[in-house]
Amino acid sequence: ETGVTQTPRHLVMGMTNKKSLKCEQHLGHNAMYWYKQSAKKPLELMFVYNFKEQTENNSVPSRFSPECPNSSHLFLHLHTLQPEDSALYLCASSQPRTSGGADEQFFGPGTRLTVL
Amino acid sequence: KNEVEQSPQNLTAQEGEFITINCSYSVGISALHWLQQHPGGGIVSLFMLSSGKKKHGRLIATINIQEKHSSLHITASHPRDSAVYICAVGQYSGGGADGLTFGKGTHLIIQP
Repeated sequence: ETGVTQTPRHLVMGMTNKKSLKCEQHLGHNAMYWYKQSAKKPLELMFVYNFKEQTENNSVPSRFSPECPNSSHLFLHLHTLQPEDSALYLCASSQPRTSGGADEQFFGPGTRLTVL
Repeated sequence: KNEVEQSPQNLTAQEGEFITINCSYSVGISALHWLQQHPGGGIVSLFMLSSGKKKHGRLIATINIQEKHSSLHITASHPRDSAVYICAVGQYSGGGADGLTFGKGTHLIIQP
């Protein structure tokens, strides 16, 4: 496997279910990101992890719970979601710059989530 | 929080035409990214700019830091260039891992 992979690619869940999205990067990067793309809306940042530490939470509801056990893996745990949470969830990774600032981000293919 | 504006939102052109997509942002950034998204959702990074101009094949990206404006140009456009082009900006956060703020995207269709 190369690049950034995400599983599952498609997920349908009920509002009372608990599920997890998985992201894995094979690029040796130390920063990972979760983004959300809802229909008719721009992509929006959810979380940023840098060297396994969460550095940004973009006011995301607590029903979304991220986990970063190491620099190669990122999870998004989902529970009691709402239909409006249906969206494409994208993971990305990058190599942080010691001088600061964003570096090129590499995106996974996304998980298309439908909440019934 | 940065505001990112893209124009046009939709663009249909004939094969061979020169294409320009514009992006403006409201506050200082660490870098500006141009991304391409094909149907099905996959996103590819085309350019990352902090100053000047970059060129990859038929694609050219420019940025004017003082005016907070960037343009993406496609020369000799081809139907395979049909996609959504997204402008995104990163802001210094001190840690080197900056989440991006995105524009709404430009849906480009190149007709044969």
